[in-house]
Amino acid sequence: SAVISQKPSRDICQRGTSLTIQCQVDSQVTMMFWYRQQPGQSLTLIATANQGSEATYESGFVIDKFPISRPNLTFSTLTVSNMSPEDSSIYLCSAGRLQGDYGYTFGSGTRLTVV
Amino acid sequence: AQTVTQSQPEMSVQEAETVTLSCTYDTSESDYYLFWYKQPPSRQMILVIRQEAYKQQNATENRFSVNFQKAAKSFSLKISDSQLGDAAMYFCAYRSQLYNNNDMRFGAGTRLTVKP
Repeated sequence: SAVISQKPSRDICQRGTSLTIQCQVDSQVTMMFWYRQQPGQSLTLIATANQGSEATYESGFVIDKFPISRPNLTFSTLTVSNMSPEDSSIYLCSAGRLQGDYGYTFGSGTRLTVV
Repeated sequence: AQTVTQSQPEMSVQEAETVTLSCTYDTSESDYYLFWYKQPPSRQMILVIRQEAYKQQNATENRFSVNFQKAAKSFSLKISDSQLGDAAMYFCAYRSQLYNNNDMRFGAGTRLTVKP
């Protein structure tokens, strides 16, 4: 299965600023996703990162707040824009192939604290 | 939309004993995948076991096995001979086979404690 490198692992940011999180996969994958996870809670899907086209966002998440790029089959970024303390969370990227029963691989997560 | 329910927020097991974590899901689809993921304090999501809905045989991976009841939409995880390293959050997950719906949906999680 694919291996994902996610950066940064953690950051402390001032409110009103933006942070870009990067995920690099070691092989070409069909699917890439971004999740948000509050400590001790489940994963909530933010969006599906589509290669070469606009991301598909879940209800409650908008492109202006969480712009996503996916320029090729191995790389994606998530930007958390105009941050507020409510954006403090863990952000994870996930990737995998469309075919087969393979579970998706996850990055190690980015712990974001907004002060 | 598919939903995944884990009704046990916390479970505890004695080292070397067996524990079963419960998961139910709701779907109108006939073909899909089910997974159990483990998340230790390091935050890394680790795939424990997978099951294809069309397979009647329950999946097994070493000390981990599942009881898949498709009609009941139930997918429980059994951990045998529990070890201290099994302590973690466990998430049950559902993935559709539909081309335009391939994201993974997670339950709320069960925190497993292993007592020495």
